[in-house]
Amino acid sequence: EAAVTQSPRSKVAVTGGKVTLSCHQTNNHDYMYWYRQDTGHGLRLIHYSYVADSTEKGDIPDGYKASRPSQENFSLILELASLSQTAVYFCASSEGGNTEVFFGKGTRLTVV
Amino acid sequence: GQQVQQSPASLVLQEGENAELQCNFSSTATQLQWFYQSPGGSLVSLLSNPSGTKHTGRLTSTTVTKERRSSLHISSSQTTDSGTYLCAIDMSNYNVLYFGSGTKLTVEP
Repeated sequence: EAAVTQSPRSKVAVTGGKVTLSCHQTNNHDYMYWYRQDTGHGLRLIHYSYVADSTEKGDIPDGYKASRPSQENFSLILELASLSQTAVYFCASSEGGNTEVFFGKGTRLTVV
Repeated sequence: GQQVQQSPASLVLQEGENAELQCNFSSTATQLQWFYQSPGGSLVSLLSNPSGTKHTGRLTSTTVTKERRSSLHISSSQTTDSGTYLCAIDMSNYNVLYFGSGTKLTVEP
């Protein structure tokens, strides 16, 4: 069974602080993604990566950085957290192309 | 702009009734996927259907690519089907998905 593990599962951060969300996959997938979901809405893509040491911007990259140090790990970094970044963040992996996408269980981030 | 639109936004059924969920998209899609999001928030892929009709269990998806629309039919609904159904398209072949806002389904006993 494919597995995508996110940590932490929830976090409260202070405005202006740095936040790092981590994602680890054991699927041997090349593609990894970070999405955010706001209450009552679908998911929006922040960053993605198709190879280690390289990341690509998604639809809403402003205020976020991503890091892919290895095939298995993909981090999302908020250098200066803001109230508007309160959301649930999902990491996902896939083989690319028309293949199934596997999601982690999400990280609930609250910025106060 | 809004790439993917889903309707209805919410739907309440009695157990045993059928559900029909709609997804319309504004751009050519190389991939279309339906996801289920549980009330607890977990996401699972249900069906991948860029064109034609696909069945799995009580689910049937029909996608008409030229008309940029897809439907998900759930037969004989059960209370455990309650949750949010999300439609997503990929225009890139990298599985970079654009999601609709979802249809919240409530199945009452």
